[in-house]
Amino acid sequence: DGGITQSPKYLFRKEGQNVTLSCEQNLNHDAMYWYRQDPGQGLRLIYYSQIVNDFQKGDIAEGYSVSREKKESFPLTVTSAQKNPTAFYLCASSTITGGVSPLHFGNGTRLTVT
Amino acid sequence: KQEVTQIPAALSVPEGENLVLNCSFTDSAIYNLQWFRQDPGKGLTSLLLIQSSQREQTSGRLNASLDKSSGRSTLYIAASQPGDSATYLCAVRSGNTGKLIFGQGTTLQVKP
Repeated sequence: DGGITQSPKYLFRKEGQNVTLSCEQNLNHDAMYWYRQDPGQGLRLIYYSQIVNDFQKGDIAEGYSVSREKKESFPLTVTSAQKNPTAFYLCASSTITGGVSPLHFGNGTRLTVT
Repeated sequence: KQEVTQIPAALSVPEGENLVLNCSFTDSAIYNLQWFRQDPGKGLTSLLLIQSSQREQTSGRLNASLDKSSGRSTLYIAASQPGDSATYLCAVRSGNTGKLIFGQGTTLQVKP
């Protein structure tokens, strides 16, 4: 079945460590996105990529980094510079970057930093 | 700056009721509006996508309407069931990218 796979489902790290969240899609989608969700808040865009080897900052990119070396993969690194990294992270993809296609989401990774 | 608001934040209804969830946005220049469902600890499932040129979309017991001029969308759920219990989020796409602006969601509980 086609879909978006995020791994791991739960991730625990010590403060000061960098951590990378995986996102893989087999939907042949061009665009991929990373969102962050905090309790009682809507989703906020971290980074997005419209094409391989290209990506743009979203609304809350500070303390995060991404790469897009393959169409299917869009890993997110949460660096030690991110002040409040504990959150639920969601990866999404869509067929085109225009306004006509819906976003499809993975099941998320819950990151806890202590 | 586009802002999306969903009211109420939480809703509890008995099984079988028809109900309406509300979503409002401040900038009417949108490409589309999408309604999602989120179960606890899970990702988002797309329910309905309404293009800016459309007035409504239907899928089974769900009907979503869009009034761009007033900056409003509603999600109508007919004959609610306990399995409909979840958080419902609306999101608007304003530019020619995949950037969605999300509301904070309405958490629905349907009691048997």
